[in-house]
Amino acid sequence: GESVGLHLPTLSVQEGDNSIINCAYSNSASDYFIWYKQESGKGPQFIIDIRSNMDKRQGQRVTVLLNKTVKHLSLQIAATQPGDSAVYFCASGTYKYIFGTGTRLKVLA
Amino acid sequence: DAGITQSPRHKVTETGTPVTLRCHQTENHRYMYWYRQDPGHGLRLIHYSYGVKDTDKGEVSDGYSVSRSKTEDFLLTLESATSSQTSVYFCAIREGGQGDATGELFFGEGSRLTVL
Repeated sequence: GESVGLHLPTLSVQEGDNSIINCAYSNSASDYFIWYKQESGKGPQFIIDIRSNMDKRQGQRVTVLLNKTVKHLSLQIAATQPGDSAVYFCASGTYKYIFGTGTRLKVLA
Repeated sequence: DAGITQSPRHKVTETGTPVTLRCHQTENHRYMYWYRQDPGHGLRLIHYSYGVKDTDKGEVSDGYSVSRSKTEDFLLTLESATSSQTSVYFCAIREGGQGDATGELFFGEGSRLTVL
C-alpha cells in the first residue's frame, strides 16, 4: 500500500544552524504534500504545504522542496531555534492523508 | 486556534467495554478525521467524514466505527475495547467544499485512551 517515510528518527542540530528533514513517499500519483510540527503533549500543527506542480515553496524560515523524480521531499528550517525542537511529520495524499513516522529534531545550545 | 474540542481528554477503561470519543468543531468544516498515534507508527487514519452521514474507512479501521449526525460532531466508537487500542487519538478538521481533495488539517489536542 501507499507509504510515507522519514529518513531519520532523530536529528540533532546546533542552535543557529540550518536543519534539513527528509521524507520519501511511495505513490507517484500523490498530488499534495504537507509538513506538521508536533510538540510534546500537543496536537500536530501545520507548517507548510506544497502541490505536485511545484518544486519549492517558502514560508517564514521554512522551505519545502519536492523532487517528484525520486519521490522525495524535504523541509529546511533556517537558523534553527530552541523553539523548533519537536517531532516533524510529512504527509501526502488526497482526502485521506498518509503520515510518516516522524523525525525528532533536537536543538543543541 | 481552530475550534476543535475532543472529549474526554483522558480515559482509562477495561477490555471489552464500549468507548466513545467525541470531536466537536465550531468551524462548520465539511471534512473531519480520526487518527491514532502510537510510538513508531506516526499518525494512522482510522476513519474520516466528508459530510453529514458520509464516512469512509482509513488505514486502521478494524474495531472502530464512526458517526456524524451533524456537521459539528464526529464520534469515534470502540464497540469492545482491546489493549491494542490503547493509544492517543486525534481528531482533525479540514475546510473545503464537496470534491475539494486537499488542504490543511487542523488537529485537536488529543484524547489519551488506556485499555487495561
